[in-house]
Amino acid sequence: EAGVTQFPSHSVIEKGQTVTLRCDPISGHDNLYWYRRVMGKEIKFLLHFVKESKQDESGMPNNRFLAERTGGTYSTLKVQPAELEDSGVYFCASSQLDTTGEQYFGPGTRLTVT
Amino acid sequence: DAKTTQPTSMDCAEGRAANLPCNHSTISGNEYVYWYRQIHSQGPQYIIHGLKNNETNEMASLIITEDRKSSTLILPHATLRDTAVYYCIVRGNTNAGKSTFGDGTTLTVKP
Repeated sequence: EAGVTQFPSHSVIEKGQTVTLRCDPISGHDNLYWYRRVMGKEIKFLLHFVKESKQDESGMPNNRFLAERTGGTYSTLKVQPAELEDSGVYFCASSQLDTTGEQYFGPGTRLTVT
Repeated sequence: DAKTTQPTSMDCAEGRAANLPCNHSTISGNEYVYWYRQIHSQGPQYIIHGLKNNETNEMASLIITEDRKSSTLILPHATLRDTAVYYCIVRGNTNAGKSTFGDGTTLTVKP
């Protein structure tokens, strides 16, 4: 069974540009989460989807970040316009709806804003 | 979610058991203890979780004290590939799923 995949693995963009990160969860997993780690800090929760609905977006830093999960399958996280402080590693995780919350993480996307 | 406290770093000899402690004195009755690890720059990897009983799987054992205020993750025979940052996370068993990662414990397994 394929795990959580993320694309791209690395992205280098200039300040002010737009970047879209993609996450493909494990097939059949209704829960999808986005986390990120900025340099030197802890891994922080961004938001949580249940199928196509946003369940909790309390961790989204500001309105430059937009997450979508159309059709309840893959998800995208768009940063527009990107700022220097957005640099970091963005992780996606998924879990089944009726498990005890065991989350499977993807390898992450390393975003560098210059 | 309850806050956890872990030592910053630990060393372990290859082949020996690694015992990683975690304090979660403010844990509430419906909160589980989860352990994840992050090897180098990979995504966090689920290890084990429990509510109040001790748990064991193919990767590790989890010992939770009777008052549930602390727990220990045990890697019975540590290998060099177990070198990683280990995170103890406490959260409710709901579909909220929001995991709060602290700084974790950096475990270094030495030959």
